Amino acid sequence: SSELTQDPAVSVALGQTVRITCQGDSLRNYYASWYQQKPGQAPVLVIYAKNNRPSGIPDRFSCSRSGNTASLTITGAQAEDEADYYCNSRDNSSNHVVFGGGTKLTVL
Amino acid sequence: QVQLLESGPGLVKPSETLSLTCTVSGDSISSYFWSWIRQPPGKALEWIGYIYYTGRTNYNPSLKSRVTISVDTSKNQFSLKLSSVTAADTAVYYCARSKMYLTAYAFDIWGQGTMVTVSS
Repeated sequence: SSELTQDPAVSVALGQTVRITCQGDSLRNYYASWYQQKPGQAPVLVIYAKNNRPSGIPDRFSCSRSGNTASLTITGAQAEDEADYYCNSRDNSSNHVVFGGGTKLTVL
Repeated sequence: QVQLLESGPGLVKPSETLSLTCTVSGDSISSYFWSWIRQPPGKALEWIGYIYYTGRTNYNPSLKSRVTISVDTSKNQFSLKLSSVTAADTAVYYCARSKMYLTAYAFDIWGQGTMVTVSS
């Protein structure tokens, strides 16, 4: 099965741009979806498929893919963006689902 | 507005079977796929498995021998059973609506989660 690797922690100054990455072989063939999770809350989908945002998600959230790496970009990070972010994808060789280990984003 | 609500015991003894139910409101369960996902305290999300309303299932290989997911379309519910639990199964368990695109999987609606502790 595939694995997805994320940096454990990333920080960004308020109003600046930050990129959170997710690496894995499955990302060469499948898009990542991204989730925001705040303490004590359920995850919220912020990006899915080819850079699609669910209703209500600000357009400062976007994503891209290059090779085996997917990236979630927050352009002009806000204090409320401080959270854990998880990526997920379809497994490369089956219909299984894989999640990354999560990235804790701190907004300074 | 689609809502999912998990229900079931918050405490399960080691070696017993964990049983949870997810009730779907605002949408028919006879659409989409429906998943269970868990998160041990302080750790990452882990996909457990999904089910389609026809009963077709797909499980995480690491849990497959202990997991059963079923669906009751008359009640608009789907359920999780995890057998032979140990302390390592202590986690918040989420149910989620799953969108299975050709090139991406996404969980767009989540329940609030329910904490299950395995302890004697």
